[in-house]
Amino acid sequence: EIVMTQSPVTLSVSPGERATLSCRASQSVSSNLAWYQQQPGQAPRLLIYGASTRATGVPARFSGSGSGTEFTLTISSLQSEDFAVYYCQQYNNWPQYTFGQGAKLEIK
Amino acid sequence: EVHLVQSGAEVKKPGESLKISCKGSGNISTSYWIGWVRQMPGKGLEWMGIIYPADSDTRYSPSFQGQVTISADKSINTAYLQWSSLKASDTAIYYCARWTGGMDVWGKGTTVTVSS
Repeated sequence: EIVMTQSPVTLSVSPGERATLSCRASQSVSSNLAWYQQQPGQAPRLLIYGASTRATGVPARFSGSGSGTEFTLTISSLQSEDFAVYYCQQYNNWPQYTFGQGAKLEIK
Repeated sequence: EVHLVQSGAEVKKPGESLKISCKGSGNISTSYWIGWVRQMPGKGLEWMGIIYPADSDTRYSPSFQGQVTISADKSINTAYLQWSSLKASDTAIYYCARWTGGMDVWGKGTTVTVSS
């Protein structure tokens, strides 16, 4: 099983600033990496797939990068609605598409 | 617009059986894989497995193999997740979502509570 490890587990950032979340895979997943946002009490929402492609309707302030084992989700100029929990998911190892443990982005 | 509509919350006793559903509506077709994800209280997302409703090809995460059964009825655009004997540790929210190289359409989740 490919283990996905996110860091930091909690990130405190002020509105308007930039946030960077990391995701590391225990072995290469190529660019088969997705990012999701989950607000309290809601289902997750797809933000990024293919490591760097924004999903439909996702604001341009969200960007993804990386390949192999190291990935980053960057949110430039944080808005109030961006404070949430974020998950990465690898889909290179069919059909065991494992998630990271999640990272909470909170208001500083 | 595409939607996945999940069945309502369930409260069950240990040892009971349960089948929850996920129905596609709008322009969703059976030509996509549907995945199931578990979220235990206060915890993260766990990949359970995936089904292709058009031919019911089903794959499981090793952690859930033998613990649940995923099925589908393509005639009514519906996927299912079922348990034959629930445990207290099955208490969680269960989400279905369409897989298109990312889970791009999600149901609202079904809360399953197992308690004596």
